[in-house]
Amino acid sequence: QVQLQQSGPGLVKPSQTLSLTCVISGDSVSSNGATWNWIRQSPSRGLEWLGRTYYRSAWENNYAGSVESRITVKADTPKNQFSLQLNSVTPEDTAVYYCARWSDRNSFDIWGQGTMVTVS
Amino acid sequence: EIVLTQSPATLSLSPGERATLSCRASQSVSGYFAWYQQKPGQAPRLLIYDASKRATGIPARFSGSGSGTDFTLTISSLEPEDFAVYYCQQRNRWPPVHTFGQGTKLEIK
Repeated sequence: QVQLQQSGPGLVKPSQTLSLTCVISGDSVSSNGATWNWIRQSPSRGLEWLGRTYYRSAWENNYAGSVESRITVKADTPKNQFSLQLNSVTPEDTAVYYCARWSDRNSFDIWGQGTMVTVS
Repeated sequence: EIVLTQSPATLSLSPGERATLSCRASQSVSGYFAWYQQKPGQAPRLLIYDASKRATGIPARFSGSGSGTDFTLTISSLEPEDFAVYYCQQRNRWPPVHTFGQGTKLEIK
């Protein structure tokens, strides 16, 4: 079955870069039917979609307006994984970060386990 | 951006009762709509997609309905494991902006 395994530091200093990785098993990051997403959750902002990467005839990305100037979501095909980089973080970026697959079921059907990231 | 408002914020019911959770959109949802369940310390779990289709492995007591701006998740007869937080979510067709509701906490009465 499809699984997503997240990794990355739980503590980031203000103004630095938050970096997380999501390893895919049971599917391919290059899959024509899926997109690969990052979502975060905090008490103040609730669940917030951040961005996605996907491959059709080329690699594409889409980002939420709230983080568009600071975010990069990138696929690593040989390692079958994708990553999140969020620059210039502030304490407001403190949240649980999830990776998730958006599938042909038109929904986030597979989620990673979540990573609590504190900016302090 | 479409804003999703869920009601009630908290719903207190007993096992065996029927639960009705609502999600209202600030404008008509022309793309995709789903419901998720989240338990403490866990990632959200997909329950319903395309507003009314049950995800794989989801019991038949869960059902979704609605279109446009008003959507409903119904749990016909609550089981102890159903007490959790439920979120609605929508995505525009283009640009692909996803938004979530603020959640309804279903608690044991």
